[in-house]
Amino acid sequence: QSALTQPASVSGSPGQSITIPCVGTSSDVGSFNLVSWYQQYPGTVPKLMIYEDTKRPSGVSDRFSGSKSGNTASLTISGLQAEDEADYYCSSYATRRVWEFGGGTKLTVL
Amino acid sequence: EVQLVESGGGLVQPGGSLRLSCAASGFAFSRHWMHWVRQAPGKGLIWVSRIINDETGTIYADSVKGRFTISRDNAKNTLYLQMNSLRDEDTAVYYCVRGGIVANAFDIWGQGTMVTVSS
Repeated sequence: QSALTQPASVSGSPGQSITIPCVGTSSDVGSFNLVSWYQQYPGTVPKLMIYEDTKRPSGVSDRFSGSKSGNTASLTISGLQAEDEADYYCSSYATRRVWEFGGGTKLTVL
Repeated sequence: EVQLVESGGGLVQPGGSLRLSCAASGFAFSRHWMHWVRQAPGKGLIWVSRIINDETGTIYADSVKGRFTISRDNAKNTLYLQMNSLRDEDTAVYYCVRGGIVANAFDIWGQGTMVTVSS
């Protein structure tokens, strides 16, 4: 069982917006501005999409955005495209000085 | 080009040992914290261990504490993971991952090396 909770799957139609929540606790998500999000296509290496809750690395589309409220972080993808279909993982630093991942969310573009 | 290349994976019997290596290139290896992250077949990402940049300061996930040892040689730009007392549940792809400085996250990932624990 993962320390951070994500829905197993979400779906949306092209052009729509979707949001993937990542629920933690006051010992991880709620304690630090260190939530990050990763995109992984089947058989490939994870790619950093969002860091420090809301920041986007150079080269990542501005259709991807991160937010946080209390112990819940969220990844929003706007203007959904077929190429966005992938698995998405959240991660957070925790007070025990360890890092945690969510169980992952499979995004299906209908 | 910034690159992390893992090696050392393979098939090992339960209770056995394996040493993974990760060769870094294209960046100032000694400036970065480094991590190992694993992913069992068809499963999610699991953080395993971290070492800070000066070759000291290590920490482990509870599931591997006392069995795995992370280390680094900054002169050789290489990260290691010594895995002892391996269990079936340690079967996974093991990724060498760079801790970012500008981006405080796992910003560069190696291609991974597969470790299979089976009799």
